[in-house]
Amino acid sequence: QQQVKQSPQSLIVQKGGISIINCAYENTAFDYFPWYQQFPGKGPALLIAIRPDVSEKKEGRFTISFNKSAKQFSLHIMDSQPGDSATYFCAASKAPGGYQKVTFGTGTKLQVIP
Amino acid sequence: NAGVTQTPKFQVLKTGQSMTLQCAQDMNHNSMYWYRQDPGMGLRLIYYSASEGTTDKGEVPNGYNVSRLNKREFSLRLESAAPSQTSVYFCASSRSSGYTEAFFGQGTRLTVV
Repeated sequence: QQQVKQSPQSLIVQKGGISIINCAYENTAFDYFPWYQQFPGKGPALLIAIRPDVSEKKEGRFTISFNKSAKQFSLHIMDSQPGDSATYFCAASKAPGGYQKVTFGTGTKLQVIP
Repeated sequence: NAGVTQTPKFQVLKTGQSMTLQCAQDMNHNSMYWYRQDPGMGLRLIYYSASEGTTDKGEVPNGYNVSRLNKREFSLRLESAAPSQTSVYFCASSRSSGYTEAFFGQGTRLTVV
């Protein structure tokens, strides 16, 4: 049972453009939504995370938008750069805490071309 | 500043062979995890250890065993490897339960032929 659906599977964006990755979840008990960035040959690393009490969170060029009623959240990368080329995973978890409860999306491979 | 260290980085096994993947963290974290990553499947939890002395099954535990050797080390063992266990394996650790960040190792690429 896939509880977090991520799209698209792959994405090609021109340098300077906006990259948008979408995720949808089913379990309304989820209350923590992190995004991970993974470069080839490396492990995932936390990029940015949001809780459902806010609709948007911005860190530099990376923004998470959250729509609780639609059960959707998305990652926007503004002014995309070739160095942003990586695989991005959304995830979701619910209280009580514990990282073992995190459910990951299937990943989006982003390629930013010059 | 090693973080989470996994060994080996690459391994090829024949069907039926056994092996142990090693993981160590130097961040004094209480919780440790083993994931597998397969194309189109994301990361799936195999086993985890919420604290030293405890281990529990995750989403896909069949064919694996784990040992939390001490607070730093958490190993994953394949007793009789199968081609379906061909994957990239990641070890991770987090400070404790709750929404703390998890830190991942660089992964072990395992091929079972």
